[in-house]
Amino acid sequence: DVKVTQSSRYLVKRTGEKVFLECVQDMDHENMFWYRQDPGLGLRLIYFSYDVKMKEKGDIPEGYSVSREKKERFSLILESASTNQTSMYLCASSTGGYQPQHFGDGTRLSIL
Amino acid sequence: AQKITQTQPGMFVQEKEAVTLDCTYDTSDQSYGLFWYKQPSSGEMIFLIYQGSYDEQNATEGRYSLNFQKARKSANLVISASQLGDSAMYFCAMKGPDNFNKFYFGSGTKLNVKP
Repeated sequence: DVKVTQSSRYLVKRTGEKVFLECVQDMDHENMFWYRQDPGLGLRLIYFSYDVKMKEKGDIPEGYSVSREKKERFSLILESASTNQTSMYLCASSTGGYQPQHFGDGTRLSIL
Repeated sequence: AQKITQTQPGMFVQEKEAVTLDCTYDTSDQSYGLFWYKQPSSGEMIFLIYQGSYDEQNATEGRYSLNFQKARKSANLVISASQLGDSAMYFCAMKGPDNFNKFYFGSGTKLNVKP
């Protein structure tokens, strides 16, 4: 089975801090994704990566950056955390074509 | 641009009954894929079922089936014989023919199964 592991289930940080969310997948997938999930809004794509060192902006990239130095690892960075970034963050990976995305368990991030 | 609409924020169903969760989509692509995911309160997203735009048969996976009506651009999820463990958020998603496997998600439907 595909395993996507997010480094933390729950995280509490302070306004202005630099926050790192880590995601690792074990199936050699080319594509990796970061979403945030808010009630009533579904999943919104922040950034995705289709290869090592390659990244593309999603629908809501402002205030975020990403890093993919190795194929299995995709990091989401909140450069200067703000309270409106309190949310559930989900990482996913996939191969190409019409294969499903496989998700991690999510990180519930609170910015105080 | 692709768009997914789920018009039912919440639904109740009696245990052992069937329930239909609605999903409509908008795309100008001829080739696309439709997916349903389940998200229990614990947070993980579980892939349930897939339907390709060229598939002539409706997809089925155990108690899950997808009522695909291409002309109406709808891809409703049918859960038969509901169980208490089916209580969760359900998301419909679509992928177009781009190379990056980029998905578009609906806002979700919260299903509550009553004993």
